[in-house]
Amino acid sequence: DIQMTQSPSTLSASVGDRVTITCRASQSISSWLAWYQQKPGKAPKLLIYKASSLESGVPSRFSGSGSGTEFTLTISSLQPDDFATYYCQQYNSLWTFGQGTKVEIK
Amino acid sequence: QVQLVESGGGVVQPGGSLRLSCAVSGFSLNSYGMHWVRQAPGKGLEWVAFIRYDGSNGSNKYYAASVKGRFTISRDNSKNTVYLQMNSLRTEDTAVYYCAKIAGGSSPFDPWGQGTLVTVSS
Repeated sequence: DIQMTQSPSTLSASVGDRVTITCRASQSISSWLAWYQQKPGKAPKLLIYKASSLESGVPSRFSGSGSGTEFTLTISSLQPDDFATYYCQQYNSLWTFGQGTKVEIK
Repeated sequence: QVQLVESGGGVVQPGGSLRLSCAVSGFSLNSYGMHWVRQAPGKGLEWVAFIRYDGSNGSNKYYAASVKGRFTISRDNSKNTVYLQMNSLRTEDTAVYYCAKIAGGSSPFDPWGQGTLVTVSS
């Protein structure tokens, strides 16, 4: 099974900060990686697919990069609505989520 | 507008059974694969099961190791509904269960339903 490891688990940041979350796969997944945002009590929302493709309607301050085993999600200028938990997910071989990164207010 | 609505959650004793439903609208269910994902209280997301668009037999269904042999995913395209039959429930199955659609082939999960809470407790 492919394991996904996110870092950090928690991130404290301020509005306007540039934020980067890392996701590592235990083996190569090519570019079959997605990023989701989840707010308390809500279902996850797709942000990025195929490692770097922005889902329709998602603000351009979100971007994704990477391939193989190393991936990043970057928020260029953190907004109040972005405080949430973010998950990476591989869909190369079955499906696995990272453990999540909570972005909280500093 | 694509919508997924889960139902069937509730409180059940360990060893019991429950069947979850995911009613879809805004698209033709018979053309898409569907997933179930769960989230234990305060924890992360765990993939549970997948059924292919042509999932009428066992070879087109996939399960996480933690539920294999206890859970069964199925679909009724005429009712636009996907099901998750959960047997031999354990306390560790307590979670919010979400259904999610994929576009086809290698695709992310989008959209997701709002979730239904399953509590396994004596």
